[in-house]
Amino acid sequence: NAGVTQTPKFRILKIGQSMTLQCTQDMNHNYMYWYRQDPGMGLKLIYYSVGAGITDKGEVPNGYNVSRSTTEDFPLRLELAAPSQTSVYFCASSFGGGGTYEQYFGPGTRLTVT
Amino acid sequence: GQNIDQPTEMTATEGAIVQINCTYQTSGFNGLFWYQQHAGEAPTFLSYNVLDGLEEKGRFSSFLSRSKGYSYLLLKELQMKDSASYLCAVWDGGATNKLIFGTGTLLAVQP
Repeated sequence: NAGVTQTPKFRILKIGQSMTLQCTQDMNHNYMYWYRQDPGMGLKLIYYSVGAGITDKGEVPNGYNVSRSTTEDFPLRLELAAPSQTSVYFCASSFGGGGTYEQYFGPGTRLTVT
Repeated sequence: GQNIDQPTEMTATEGAIVQINCTYQTSGFNGLFWYQQHAGEAPTFLSYNVLDGLEEKGRFSSFLSRSKGYSYLLLKELQMKDSASYLCAVWDGGATNKLIFGTGTLLAVQP
């Protein structure tokens, strides 16, 4: 099992460019999440999905979009990148929702917008 | 509102015991998680508490008091590899029904 994989590991974007962060999990988990982590701040939820075809906003969704066409994949789209989107992005998955199931995290994508 | 408080940094000595505290205020509560995060890496799951009391897992133990909104992570026989950030996270089953993370406690283990 590879677990949760993310690509790319690093990326530098110019202001106004767009990109897609890829996330794939091979654990057959229903729930998937996107977080961003800024220095000195806790992980903030951007979007989440409870299954293929179902997505919902988290705490900080502005400037991002997601889709979930398969159980395995949950890409995060950044449109019109802004310096405020400079962050480390983590994808995570869990078997179920609620407070019972631990989340498994991918290695992260370090994004710089200049 | 939702709030999770942890100390920002702690220092401890190899072989010693350290306790990392976490207090929380959330609209609901469906469980508390501790994650370990080494610099530049992803968080990894350490422990889970949903009922009051102590959960022990090898060198790591976690305690929960729901009435006090309080948890701690206890690390025994500290090793250099335990130098990492420790994240407290609460599943808020109320308004948000999401996992809310604290800012993390950066633990430095010294020889």
